[in-house]
Amino acid sequence: GENVEQHPSTLSVQEGDSAVIKCTYSDSASNYFPWYKQELGKGPQLIIDIRSNVGEKKDQRIAVTLNKTAKHFSLHITETQPEDSAVYFCAAITDSWGKFQFGAGTQVVVTP
Amino acid sequence: DAGITQSPRHKVTETGTPVTLRCHQTENHRYMYWYRQDPGHGLRLIHYSYGVKDTDKGEVSDGYSVSRSKTEDFLLTLESATSSQTSVYFCAISDRGVKETQYFGPGTRLLVL
Repeated sequence: GENVEQHPSTLSVQEGDSAVIKCTYSDSASNYFPWYKQELGKGPQLIIDIRSNVGEKKDQRIAVTLNKTAKHFSLHITETQPEDSAVYFCAAITDSWGKFQFGAGTQVVVTP
Repeated sequence: DAGITQSPRHKVTETGTPVTLRCHQTENHRYMYWYRQDPGHGLRLIHYSYGVKDTDKGEVSDGYSVSRSKTEDFLLTLESATSSQTSVYFCAISDRGVKETQYFGPGTRLLVL
């Protein structure tokens, strides 16, 4: 099945700085890459996703880039704010049901 | 927030006892999923359903069974709970499959002693 590695596991940034989280995947058939944000005590919530026919997607302060050749994709958060503090998960998904995996998560802490 | 509820929200049980977790949705979404979340492992898919009475196994299905007799309800059963099944369990739903937005419930924290 798919293997997704996510780095770093923890990330501490100063408010206003940028945060970058990187995921690598193994299955070249993966073609959908969502990112989820999970706040303490809650379920994950989709914040942005990208499909394999696109190299970059942006939504306000959040952007995702995809490099299919290198099999990695990254989440970029600019101008970080305290409310960005959460755990972020990536996933790589193929057309085959059941063959997808989430990364282990990145704990992001934004300090004022 | 998507209309997803999970019950119970917290449960403590003993090894060897059966446990059933319930996921209820009011969105009429076709697809429903059960995940478990453990430190260092992220979210792992246990079982999923693509319609009433249509279910299949995910990555970590051993020791778990599911049932879906109505669109709105998806049950996860641990036939004989073990300590390794101590985890936080999340239900999720989606309208058009795994390659679309999944909406997650609030989670059930299960402790098996």
